[in-house]
Amino acid sequence: DQQVKQNSPSLSVQEGRISILNCDYTNSMFDYFLWYKKYPAEGPTFLISISSIKDKNEDGRFTVFLNKSAKHLSLHIVPSQPGDSAVYFCAAMKYNFNKFYFGSGTKLNVKP
Amino acid sequence: GAGVSQSPRYKVAKRGQDVALRCDPISGHVSLFWYQQALGQGPEFLTYFQNEAQLDKSGLPSDRFFAERPEGSVSTLKIQRTQQEDSAVYLCASSLSSRPGAGWGNTGELFFGEGSRLTVL
Repeated sequence: DQQVKQNSPSLSVQEGRISILNCDYTNSMFDYFLWYKKYPAEGPTFLISISSIKDKNEDGRFTVFLNKSAKHLSLHIVPSQPGDSAVYFCAAMKYNFNKFYFGSGTKLNVKP
Repeated sequence: GAGVSQSPRYKVAKRGQDVALRCDPISGHVSLFWYQQALGQGPEFLTYFQNEAQLDKSGLPSDRFFAERPEGSVSTLKIQRTQQEDSAVYLCASSLSSRPGAGWGNTGELFFGEGSRLTVL
């Protein structure tokens, strides 16, 4: 049973516009959420995280929003750049546990 | 380099063969994880080490899978009598924190290697 879901396998956005990637989770015990970015033939790299005590975290062009009541988080990239083209995974975990649960990923294509 | 290193990058095995996958974590990283990523899926947890202690192996799919980290640094994932369903990318990740997820800060995230792609024929 998949506890973290990314229902959009792909997303295409024009350069300069906003990219919004979505993630849903089912386990209300999750309290730490992360986004990872993956280029082909490379391992995932950490992008941004948010704990459940916050509803928003910003880092440059990247902002993660958390809606605990809806069990939903989203990653906003503004403005999108061609170099952002990659697969984005969201991940979640429970405090004091060591198991990260990953979604199946969304492939973002930013068109020049 | 200073990142997580995995070898081999690619491995082709005949069904029934044993394979060993190696992970060199970032120096000084306490926590080490193995993940399995099937085609088109996200990484799935296999096992977790804190130094040399294997604290969680609940994700290992069968007793054919075995992992060790005898000196608290390099880790090996061994798969015995490989089956076609074992074909996947095996990712190793390490973290400076002894309890990733506790005590939030940038030490909470995982640093992944490039993965070892296993194909079982």
